[in-house]
Amino acid sequence: GENVEQHPSTLSVQEGDSAVIKCTYSDSASNYFPWYKQELGKGPQLIIDIRSNVGEKKDQRIAVTLNKTAKHFSLHITETQPEDSAVYFCAAINYGQNFVFGPGTRLSVLP
Amino acid sequence: DAGITQSPRHKVTETGTPVTLRCHQTENHRYMYWYRQDPGHGLRLIHYSYGVKDTDKGEVSDGYSVSRSKTEDFLLTLESATSSQTSVYFCAISESTSYTDTQYFGPGTRLTVL
Repeated sequence: GENVEQHPSTLSVQEGDSAVIKCTYSDSASNYFPWYKQELGKGPQLIIDIRSNVGEKKDQRIAVTLNKTAKHFSLHITETQPEDSAVYFCAAINYGQNFVFGPGTRLSVLP
Repeated sequence: DAGITQSPRHKVTETGTPVTLRCHQTENHRYMYWYRQDPGHGLRLIHYSYGVKDTDKGEVSDGYSVSRSKTEDFLLTLESATSSQTSVYFCAISESTSYTDTQYFGPGTRLTVL
């Protein structure tokens, strides 16, 4: 079955700097890769996703890149703000299968 | 949280007691899921439902059962709670299992088994 690794487990950046979180997956048939943000005491919320026929997707300060050959995808947050502090989860899904989540990255944006 | 409520939000119980957690949705989505979240493991699927009375096991289903008698409600039962089931439990919903479909999560239930 699918296995998703996520690095780093914790990340601290200065406000205004960029943050990058990387995930690798094992099942080459996986074709959907969402990213979720989880704030303290809340459930995960989808922030961006990418499908296997796309290499990059942007939404304001957030972007995701996908390298299917290397089986990894990354979340990029530019111009970080204190409200970006949260735990971020990646996931990989094969058509008709269940989501497999990475272990999470705790991002702290320091003022 | 996309019209999803979970109850209770917090519960402390003792080993060996039965526990039922409830997920209620107002979105009329067909698919509902129960996950547990533990440090270092992310979210792991316990059980899911693809319609009323239609359920299936996930990755970590041992010690758990589920029921879905109405579209809007999905119950997770721990028949005899153990300390290893101390966790945060999340319910999620989606319109389908199409890979293009997003899962929306509820606010979670923190369960402590003493």
